[in-house]
Amino acid sequence: KNEVEQSPQNLTAQEGEFITINCSYSVGISALHWLQQHPGGGIVSLFMLSSGKKKHGRLIATINIQEKHSSLHITASHPRDSAVYICAALNNDMRFGAGTRLTVKP
Amino acid sequence: GAVVSQHPSRVICKSGTSVKIECRSLDFQATTMFWYRQFPKQSLMLMATSNEGSKATYEQGVEKDKFLINHASLTLSTLTVTSAHPEDSSFYICSARSGNSPLHFGNGTRLTVT
Repeated sequence: KNEVEQSPQNLTAQEGEFITINCSYSVGISALHWLQQHPGGGIVSLFMLSSGKKKHGRLIATINIQEKHSSLHITASHPRDSAVYICAALNNDMRFGAGTRLTVKP
Repeated sequence: GAVVSQHPSRVICKSGTSVKIECRSLDFQATTMFWYRQFPKQSLMLMATSNEGSKATYEQGVEKDKFLINHASLTLSTLTVTSAHPEDSSFYICSARSGNSPLHFGNGTRLTVT
């Protein structure tokens, strides 16, 4: 079993839909990152969470430390949100989920 | 915002040669830098963690003599792939942070070994 599990693996949505990507981890963490990787390979760190909830524009990330679970939500999704979203558990090292490939269709 | 510059973005080299990839933090002091590798359609894999002035800590299965990491200053880390082989062809990415700040990623280097 992977230490960081993400679901779903692939997700196709229509523009405007509300998106949720889930991440469960079995390791101890000091923080959890949500990353966005575009087709060219470039990676942006969207959020770093150690508790609670963070919001940035249309993106919301939540984490439940007791349940070892985090979610990334995208409201009013747009085709430019199409990317691979990766959760990464950070402690002394870093463990990655397999990624969720999101495609938002116009 | 914080910027991490990675160079080169693409490199093609012949089998047996060495390739150096640079990762620079442009507007902050990177106390820690991470190097990752990503094979096609797979997620990131952490290769090593380097703290400025210290030897890098390599992940299990990553050969430290093959992937030489130097983090000699607070703004520069280098990854040298020595005696490259076709199976080393991959996408290499660095990230950097200052203290416990969020990570900032380079744009990656696509290495092709022929």
